[in-house]
Amino acid sequence: ETGVTQTPRHLVMGMTNKKSLKCEQHLGHNAMYWYKQSAKKPLELMFVYNFKEQTENNSVPSRFSPECPNSSHLFLHLHTLQPEDSALYLCASSQVERDEQFFGPGTRLTVL
Amino acid sequence: GENVEQHPSTLSVQEGDSAVIKCTYSDSASNYFPWYKQELGKGPQLIIDIRSNVGEKKDQRIAVTLNKTAKHFSLHITETQPEDSAVYFCAERLRGNKLVFGAGTILRVKS
Repeated sequence: ETGVTQTPRHLVMGMTNKKSLKCEQHLGHNAMYWYKQSAKKPLELMFVYNFKEQTENNSVPSRFSPECPNSSHLFLHLHTLQPEDSALYLCASSQVERDEQFFGPGTRLTVL
Repeated sequence: GENVEQHPSTLSVQEGDSAVIKCTYSDSASNYFPWYKQELGKGPQLIIDIRSNVGEKKDQRIAVTLNKTAKHFSLHITETQPEDSAVYFCAERLRGNKLVFGAGTILRVKS
């Protein structure tokens, strides 16, 4: 595997379900990000982790819970989501000391 | 505020013509401006970027220009090809490593 990978690529869940999105980067980076991409809206930054420590929470509802166990893996735990949470969730990584961010292919989430 | 305006929202060009996409940012302290290309079913891919200490950067058929005084920057694609068809996003970097993105431009290259 190379670059940034995300699983699953597609996810359908009910509002009462609990699910998790996984991201893994194979680039040796030390910063990881979660973004939300909704139709007709700009990409929205959700969370930033630098050296496994959360440094940014962009006013994200608590039904989204991130976890970064090490600098290569990032999770987004989901529970009691709403239909308006349906979107493409993108993971990215970078070197903290550098500007360039590299994105994974995303998880297409549908909340019924 | 944290805002990047991007225009146009859609752009259709004939194969071989040039395409220009423009963005305006609000934070005068921003010093890094990347451009991403997103194809259907894929994540955004970094195609070119520019830092505030230069006014122009080129990479083969793509170039980016930056006007710090006016706080806008543009993507130029010359000799467009059908495979250039995608959604293009501009962004500015705010404090730390936070990127704020424009709303995107759907580019269609007609052959």
